[in-house]
Amino acid sequence: GAVVSQHPSWVICKSGTSVKIECRSLDFQATTMFWYRQFPKQSLMLMATSNEGSKATYEQGVEKDKFLINHASLTLSTLTVTSAHPEDSSFYICSAHLGLGTGGYTFGSGTRLTVV
Amino acid sequence: SQQGEEDPQALSIQEGENATMNCSYKTSINNLQWYRQNSGRGLVHLILIRSNEREKHSGRLRVTLDTSKKSSSLLITASRAADTASYFCATDSNYQLIWGAGTKLIIKP
Repeated sequence: GAVVSQHPSWVICKSGTSVKIECRSLDFQATTMFWYRQFPKQSLMLMATSNEGSKATYEQGVEKDKFLINHASLTLSTLTVTSAHPEDSSFYICSAHLGLGTGGYTFGSGTRLTVV
Repeated sequence: SQQGEEDPQALSIQEGENATMNCSYKTSINNLQWYRQNSGRGLVHLILIRSNEREKHSGRLRVTLDTSKKSSSLLITASRAADTASYFCATDSNYQLIWGAGTKLIIKP
């Protein structure tokens, strides 16, 4: 089946540094990728929707200059958390739509970011 | 963004019993999906039910959808310890998922 590979699985970084999270679609082309953030014991919060070759659409309250999204190809989307702070510590998950036929989505395994 | 409400928020049952979780939503949908998430892990897609379907089965899972009431239920029969996880419903409207708050299910051996 369609798989999205997300890396890294976890990362610990110092305050002020930037962290890049990658999501690759392994056996299909992901025209649209979704980026979520999940706080402990809470549901997923959509951060942004990225379409290949165009600028991402950010949800209200999400700083686009802090969470840089690049979707330069049909198989790779990246989320860069710039100048990370402890409050950015969270679980980040990417997802890709599988197309109109299936109506389904596939999810990356998530990245646990801890900013110290 | 979330529109779904799930109940109960948490559920603890004995192994072998059936577990039922409910999800309500507010807008019209293309389909409704159920996912499982083990603690600190990624999401696993369980089942998708389209807006013109009323019931769907997959192994020990049974999902119902009532579009008139804007609600869905997930039934897990003959529960196992490995079913312990958080379960989320997500409605697909205009090809964007909107998530419920989730139900934490604990199966006691």
